[in-house]
Amino acid sequence: ELKVEQNPLFLSMQEGKNYTIYCNYSTTSDRLYWYRQDPGKSLESLFVLLSNGAVKQEGRLMASLDTKARLSTLHITAAVHDLSATYFCAVSRRGSQGNLIFGKGTKLSVKP
Amino acid sequence: GAVVSQHPSRVICKSGTSVKIECRSLDFQATTMFWYRQFPKQSLMLMATSNEGSKATYEQGVEKDKFLINHASLTLSTLTVTSAHPEDSSFYICSAATGLSTEAFFGQGTRLTVV
Repeated sequence: ELKVEQNPLFLSMQEGKNYTIYCNYSTTSDRLYWYRQDPGKSLESLFVLLSNGAVKQEGRLMASLDTKARLSTLHITAAVHDLSATYFCAVSRRGSQGNLIFGKGTKLSVKP
Repeated sequence: GAVVSQHPSRVICKSGTSVKIECRSLDFQATTMFWYRQFPKQSLMLMATSNEGSKATYEQGVEKDKFLINHASLTLSTLTVTSAHPEDSSFYICSAATGLSTEAFFGQGTRLTVV
């Protein structure tokens, strides 16, 4: 059974600091996704990682994938308040881009 | 491109009634649509997968007679919550995918409150 573990679940950061969110998954998968969710809203797609060693960056966020270690990371550089949200990683099940197992999410709060 | 629209965004219904939620792909044909449920402060859980013109596949523990899914066309899937109870109150989110995309695209979600 595919399980996805995310940590930390809560993260309080000061503006300007760096931090990393970790996402471990239990069985082989060929797709890993990172999403952002603001309160009361749906998901916003951040990154799609499809291969071992994949690294993608957008603004202050960078995601990477190590399929051998079954680990993905979401690195936040020089955090700003606007990054406050809940971040989810999700792993594809059965090779389907929509059949996803989600981590529990990391609630990020960036304080001045 | 790749816009998925869900309707309604919010609905309040009385206990025992049924409510229908629509999920539409506006600018692409979705061969497969997915329905998720998210309880407050929790993660998303897949409820069912629907393919156009065939019966939905439900995840373990999801009652197919309570959560009726219809995927009548390549741009529309509906989720009907029958005989709703307060414990069905949740945020329901659909996503839609084509065979060509590397990801599915999420709708805006529907906040269901059963009173």
